[in-house]
Amino acid sequence: DQQVKQNSPSLSVQEGRISILNCDYTNSMFDYFLWYKKYPAEGPTFLISISSIKDKNEDGRFTVFLNKSAKHLSLHIVPSQPGDSAVYFCTGGTSYGKLTFGQGTILTVHP
Amino acid sequence: EAGVAQSPRYKIIEKRQSVAFWCNPISGHATLYWYQQILGQGPKLLIQFQNNGVVDDSQLPKDRFSAERLKGVDSTLKIQPAKLEDSAVYLCASSSPRGGRRNTIYFGEGSWLTVV
Repeated sequence: DQQVKQNSPSLSVQEGRISILNCDYTNSMFDYFLWYKKYPAEGPTFLISISSIKDKNEDGRFTVFLNKSAKHLSLHIVPSQPGDSAVYFCTGGTSYGKLTFGQGTILTVHP
Repeated sequence: EAGVAQSPRYKIIEKRQSVAFWCNPISGHATLYWYQQILGQGPKLLIQFQNNGVVDDSQLPKDRFSAERLKGVDSTLKIQPAKLEDSAVYLCASSSPRGGRRNTIYFGEGSWLTVV
């Protein structure tokens, strides 16, 4: 039972353009969501989060949108930079701190 | 502030052998997690500790995996005997809820296991 799904295994964009990473979830018990970024040979690092009671959270070039009725969230990166190239994980969190990860999307930003 | 420390970084063992991984969480973090990440997949929670008590170990293969967190600080994850399908990165993470329910979980760099 895959509670968090990232249906695009990879995404390639040009530097300066927008990157949009999508995520769907099935577990209605998630009360917050986080995006993690992972470089090769490193552990995931926290990027941005959103509470389930909000529909948007913005932090610099990164914005996360939540559509609770559709059980869908997305991460927008504007403008994209080559250093953003990494694997991005969408995660759903419960009240006692358990995170459930999606499969990840490999983002490649070309100069 | 020091991050989550893990060792060893890399380990190659033969199937049916045993292996142990060690984790030291961020100072003061009460919650400690072990995740397993198989290549091409997202991390999967194996076990979650709150201080030295187990909160969730529903996905831990208890016939071969064990974990402990003595004194509520460091933790060890053991696999005995190892199988080929245990080849993965084992990620330790920690968090510290501050009154609210939301957690930001901080990960170590991982311990890479190859079973041959």
